[in-house]
Amino acid sequence: GAVVSQHPSRVICKSGTSVKIECRSLDFQATTMFWYRQFPKQSLMLMATSNEGSKATYEQGVEKDKFLINHASLTLSTLTVTSAHPEDSSFYICSARLAGDSYNEQFFGPGTRLTVL
Amino acid sequence: AQSVTQPDIHITVSEGASLELRCNYSYGATPYLFWYVQSPGQGLQLLLKYFSGDTLVQGIKGFEAEFKRSQSSFNLRKPSVHWSDAAEYFCAVARGYQKVTFGTGTKLQVIP
Repeated sequence: GAVVSQHPSRVICKSGTSVKIECRSLDFQATTMFWYRQFPKQSLMLMATSNEGSKATYEQGVEKDKFLINHASLTLSTLTVTSAHPEDSSFYICSARLAGDSYNEQFFGPGTRLTVL
Repeated sequence: AQSVTQPDIHITVSEGASLELRCNYSYGATPYLFWYVQSPGQGLQLLLKYFSGDTLVQGIKGFEAEFKRSQSSFNLRKPSVHWSDAAEYFCAVARGYQKVTFGTGTKLQVIP
């Protein structure tokens, strides 16, 4: 149980284009999902917290107009990287928290490798 | 603000040897504590967690961790390492719905 999927697993795009990454909780409802970014050989950096049916909360320094997050249902959150540039190339990981969870336990997706040319 | 320190960036052990990965946290109260493992190019898999109660917690893949309040530590252990354990390990802390803070990770290399 508690499986989270991400799609796509890898994406290569040209500079200036937009890329959408999907995060789905497959067998549970997630009122809250999280988006992280991980640079090579570094830890996870929280980008934003996404709550179903409301606007995402972005961490300091994360451009909300560049990283658009939508959490339209209890099982799906999307991250859209708008006007992507090479510096946006990274590994993006989402996680989901079970509805009603009291301990902030998160279940992680397999990640999406974004390469911007 | 809460913080997590994993003092060992890289550890190499021989297959069959015991393993201990260190994790220290800084927080005013007892946080929720997690250990995750990440294989290259993959997401994170939860190994074990501590919320309260017995300070020695058992996880998957033969791992265990011990919460020591006096030392603000939550070290991960395994009595006999397998080659498939080679990966990166992250300690993480949280309290309530405050954001989870991850350590910088420890990369484990296993020598045959």
